[in-house]
Amino acid sequence: EPEVTQTPSHQVTQMGQEVILRCVPISNHLYFYWYRQILGQKVEFLVSFYNNEISEKSEIFDDQFSVERPDGSNFTLKIRSTKLEDSAMYFCASSETSGGGQGETQYFGPGTRLLVL
Amino acid sequence: AQTVTQSQPEMSVQEAETVTLSCTYDTSENNYYLFWYKQPPSRQMILVIRQEAYKQQNATENRFSVNFQKAAKSFSLKISDSQLGDTAMYFCAFMNNAGNNRKLIWGLGTSLAVNP
Repeated sequence: EPEVTQTPSHQVTQMGQEVILRCVPISNHLYFYWYRQILGQKVEFLVSFYNNEISEKSEIFDDQFSVERPDGSNFTLKIRSTKLEDSAMYFCASSETSGGGQGETQYFGPGTRLLVL
Repeated sequence: AQTVTQSQPEMSVQEAETVTLSCTYDTSENNYYLFWYKQPPSRQMILVIRQEAYKQQNATENRFSVNFQKAAKSFSLKISDSQLGDTAMYFCAFMNNAGNNRKLIWGLGTSLAVNP
């Protein structure tokens, strides 16, 4: 069964460093998402991406964050200068469509656990 | 703005018994989707079940079923014949079905322990 994959599974970085989190969505999916989950808190939407551009972003997704689809398969989240409060689990998700029906369902990757020291 | 509330931070159930997890939501929209996701200790987010708001019939997936009460804005998850592998965090999530706005809005989760 197709699945979303994410690398790395864990990343430890120093405050102020840049990190790139990678995702490979399900191959026929067209909509891509990043969410984060700070330990013990609710899952938060960061950004959605369709047709090579951002569809929507939350207030969390400030200028330190960027997303890119550098080739036909990868979808990346870059944090330019990490802060301590960026420590969280980051989930990538993808969906087939946004036009209703089963294709709306978002399927999640296993997450990247980011720790900023 | 839409919100999702899960009022039970923790629950426990004996193996083979039935448990119901509660979820309420607030929205002024009429067309939307509701989901239950499961997050086991591995922290992978796994879809359990989904419900389209326009469907009156409650969704079922094997041992998992929902009680969707649209007027009351309630979306509870029933797990029948609970198994040890059901031990996980369960999240209720809402998605508006309008335009290109497809973000999931999440509840805080309910931690379910299935005891042998």
